[in-house]
Amino acid sequence: GENVEQHPSTLSVQEGDSAVIKCTYSDSASNYFPWYKQELGKRPQLIIDIRSNVGEKKDQRIAVTLNKTAKHFSLHITETQPEDSAVYFCAATDGDSSYKLIFGSGTRLLVRP
Amino acid sequence: DAGVIQSPRHEVTEMGQEVTLRCKPISGHDYLFWYRQTMMRGLELLIYFNNNVPIDDSGMPEDRFSAKMPNASFSTLKIQPSEPRDSAVYFCASSFGGGNTEAFFGQGTRLTVV
Repeated sequence: GENVEQHPSTLSVQEGDSAVIKCTYSDSASNYFPWYKQELGKRPQLIIDIRSNVGEKKDQRIAVTLNKTAKHFSLHITETQPEDSAVYFCAATDGDSSYKLIFGSGTRLLVRP
Repeated sequence: DAGVIQSPRHEVTEMGQEVTLRCKPISGHDYLFWYRQTMMRGLELLIYFNNNVPIDDSGMPEDRFSAKMPNASFSTLKIQPSEPRDSAVYFCASSFGGGNTEAFFGQGTRLTVV
């Protein structure tokens, strides 16, 4: 089955700096890669996603890149703000079944004011 | 739509007792997922349903865990008997179209077994 690894486990940046979180996956048939943000005590919420036929996607200060050959994808947050502080999870579909997501272990991002 | 609704939000129970967690998915969604979140293991998929039918329960940790979806608007996750190691936050999520579309999570149920 699919295995998703996420790094780093914690990340501390100064407000205004950029943050990058990286994930690798094992199943080359995976075709959907979402990123979820979870604030303390809250539910995970989708912030951006990318499909296997796209290499990069942007939404304001957030971007995701996908390298299918290397089987890794990354989340980039520019001009970080204190409200970006949260746990971020990457995920990948379990092979080409596309019916379930396998999540990474999460990255705790702290943006220092 | 009010989103995915879970109840209760918090549950404290004694070891050996039966626990039932409830979920109401978003109307019109055809997939429902139950996840467990712990510090040690992160977000684990326990089971998912498509059109009320259980498709994959390979993530259910033991026979003490069972899940049902009697209709499109209601699902339960039951633990009987409960054990302290079952303490976690349990999330229900629903989507339209399966794992390659956005999954909407409920607020979660924080279960503490003492």
